[in-house]
Order: sequence, then structure tokens, then C-alpha cells
Amino acid sequence: DTGVSQNPRHKITKRGQNVTFRCDPISEHNRLYWYRQTLGQGPEFLTYFQNEAQLEKSRLLSDRFSAERPKGSFSTLEIQRTEQGDSAMYLCASSFEQGLTELFFGSGTQLSVL
Amino acid sequence: GNSVTQMEGPVTLSEEAFLTINCTYTATGYPSLFWYVQYPGEGLQLLLKATKADDKGSNKGFEATYRKETTSFHLEKGSVQVSDSAVYFCALVRRTGNQFYFGTGTSLTVIP
Repeated sequence: DTGVSQNPRHKITKRGQNVTFRCDPISEHNRLYWYRQTLGQGPEFLTYFQNEAQLEKSRLLSDRFSAERPKGSFSTLEIQRTEQGDSAMYLCASSFEQGLTELFFGSGTQLSVL
Repeated sequence: GNSVTQMEGPVTLSEEAFLTINCTYTATGYPSLFWYVQYPGEGLQLLLKATKADDKGSNKGFEATYRKETTSFHLEKGSVQVSDSAVYFCALVRRTGNQFYFGTGTSLTVIP
């Protein structure tokens, strides 16, 4: 297993377009998290899944954001009608359910909205 | 609420200098505490952790002690190397919680 994989690494889009990111967690991990990181800030929690169930969403997650994790494996994060304020690094992380002792992060998807 | 406060950077040190990055936290209950490191172009990696008061986490020459009385988890290294140049994040998770709370990060540059 090579760790948490995120695609694409970079995405440039025009304001108003929809974008979708993919995350493949470590295979035996049943928890999957999405975080957003802007320049000079720490990661901010967006949402997390336990298996296929989305159990918690941040108030930061507007209606334009939707995340799925079909079959409890990979996850997608879609942003509709992108705005310039959506420009950020989107990080995916996974962990074991028990203990919550460590998050394993992917390298992130850098989104630039022009 | 739950939050982490880190000393502001950037921090620039000469090779072999002593490093301290301060971190204090606010949390209900007794959280677990972590230091993550982010190298340029990469995701965050766990550097060390401590799960209860007075525990000391250590890895790659870095250390941090969970101080409940001062709600602190300061990161230290006795002799930094150029390869330690990165951004360091302090984080906590509550024992009954589901999400990590991160500080804003401290950028470290080590010059030869």
C-alpha cells in the first residue's frame, strides 16, 4: 500500500465551473476525512466518513460542496459553481476507527479558481 | 471549544541550533496531542504524539511533553539540520471526538 492518494494534484478552473477531486485512502482504513488548507493556515475540517456513511460535516461546508464515499472505499469531493474563495489545498486523510491515534494524509489537491 | 495556538513564524535558525516551537491548547476533557510536519509539496506527516499528561513523544530527535498544568505541548530539538526545514503543525483530538484541530503552523528554515 502506497498511502493515501489524491487526484489531481493541481486543478485550475474558471469561476462558476464545477470541479471534482478524488481520494483513495489506505485500504484497511475505514475513516476518511476531507480538510481544507489555505496559505498560512492549518488544515480546517470539512467532513468525514466512517465506511460509506458521512457522519459529520463542518459549517464551513456550504451547499455547493458535496462529498461521497460509495462502497466505503475511495471518496470524491465536488464543488459546484466554484468561487475565488474556494481556492485552497484540499487534503484527504484516513485512519482506523479505533483510537483515532493518527491521521494519514495525502499530498492534497491544489485548487485555483480564476 | 477546542483550539490550538502555535507561536507565529517564520523561524530561521542556523544548522545545529536549538529549536523550540510553542504550542498551547484549549480542549474539553483530556485530548491526545500531536505534532505533524509538512515538507514542501507534500502532505502532512505525523512527527510525534502523546496521549496523556506527562507523556513525552519523540521521533527523529524531536521531543514534546504533554503538560496538562500549562496546557502546552512545545516541540524541541537540540540540534536542527537543513533537512528539518518544513512547516510544523500542532494538533489535538478529543478522546470522544471525531476530528483533529490544527494550529496555523510554524514555518522553519534551517540555513547551513
